[in-house]
Amino acid sequence: GENVEQHPSTLSVQEGDSAVIKCTYSDSASNYFPWYKQELGKGPQLIIDIRSNVGEKKDQRIAVTLNKTAKHFSLHITETQPEDSAVYFCAAESIQGAQKLVFGQGTRLTINP
Amino acid sequence: GAVVSQHPSRVICKSGTSVKIECRSLDFQATTMFWYRQFPKQSLMLMATSNEGSKATYEQGVEKDKFLINHASLTLSTLTVTSAHPEDSSFYICSARDLSWTNEKLFFGSGTQLSVL
Repeated sequence: GENVEQHPSTLSVQEGDSAVIKCTYSDSASNYFPWYKQELGKGPQLIIDIRSNVGEKKDQRIAVTLNKTAKHFSLHITETQPEDSAVYFCAAESIQGAQKLVFGQGTRLTINP
Repeated sequence: GAVVSQHPSRVICKSGTSVKIECRSLDFQATTMFWYRQFPKQSLMLMATSNEGSKATYEQGVEKDKFLINHASLTLSTLTVTSAHPEDSSFYICSARDLSWTNEKLFFGSGTQLSVL
């Protein structure tokens, strides 16, 4: 089955700088890659996603890139703000069976004022 | 995005009692909902897939009789933790797939923190 590896596990950046979180996946048949932001005590919130027929997608300060050949995808946050501090999860969807999302281990992002 | 409502947000119960958690899709119909479990500082682990009008599909290692799932309508799925024990204490999160989105996005509820004394 699908396996998703996420790095780094923790990331601390200065406010205004950029943050990059990387994920790799194992199943070449996966074709949907969402990113979620989770704040303490809350459920994950979808912030951006990408399908395998697209190499890059951007939404204001957030962008995601996908390299199908290398089977890795990355989240880029520019001009970081304190409210960006949270745990971020990448995920990959296996198209086998019930299309279940497999999550990475999470990255705790801290934005220092 | 679509809204998934989950209740209660927090529950404390005595060991041996049962706890029911509700998950509702508020502005869309969900033929499939998913239940996850999350321990502190860990990732989300899929417990089961809830299918409207049929039996849930459980992941390996998840006890069917322990975690009862009912998906009686297109907008409601419930998870009942039966005879809860302290090791069942965890953050439980449901999600639903909104098929009206062309990319079939998955939206999550706000989670339920279960504490078993």
